[in-house]
Amino acid sequence: GNSVTQMEGPVTLSEEAFLTINCTYTATGYPSLFWYVQYPGEGLQLLLKATKADDKGSNKGFEATYRKETTSFHLEKGSVQVSDSAVYFCALCPRGSYIPTFGRGTSLIVHP
Amino acid sequence: KAGVTQTPRYLIKTRGQQVTLSCSPISGHRSVSWYQQTPGQGLQFLFEYFSETQRNKGNFPGRFSGRQFSNSRSEMNVSTLELGDSALYLCASSLGLAGSVETQYFGPGTRLLVL
Repeated sequence: GNSVTQMEGPVTLSEEAFLTINCTYTATGYPSLFWYVQYPGEGLQLLLKATKADDKGSNKGFEATYRKETTSFHLEKGSVQVSDSAVYFCALCPRGSYIPTFGRGTSLIVHP
Repeated sequence: KAGVTQTPRYLIKTRGQQVTLSCSPISGHRSVSWYQQTPGQGLQFLFEYFSETQRNKGNFPGRFSGRQFSNSRSEMNVSTLELGDSALYLCASSLGLAGSVETQYFGPGTRLLVL
């Protein structure tokens, strides 16, 4: 079956530090890949996506590249802010399917 | 445009009881999906409704059910509550005709605590 594995959190960083949140997946075929963000007390918001190998999704300074050879979709940001503190979810959705598979989420805490 | 609204936001029940959660989608959206979020299992898909019909279903027992009304509002029901049903239940809406997870808008969730 499909699965998504994310690094355990919480990830604790100082403001302006570099962020990497690892995500690897198992799926048949070539799924679409997503990163979602959940701020405290809110629902999930789509952060970025990639639909095919070597695609790079980017939004709000965050980036992730679809790596088929390593089945990975790591989230990166060059300089985090306190306002980036949230829970980040990696997800996949197989082609032709509407049912997504999510990772367990990684909590990010950014200190001033 | 108002976002997805879920009521109630917080709920406390005891084992064996049943509970009904409500979700009002964004105006014009016809698809509503439900998810369960727990620390242990993460975010798991429950089911999706479109035009009052269940279109997709996740791997949950029959105690979990839902329905959608003609105005696209949806309710989710959990009968015979168990401690493990304690979770954040998220609802998401989309226009729905093509069915794409990336076009979903999520509500803030209902936090259910089962004692």
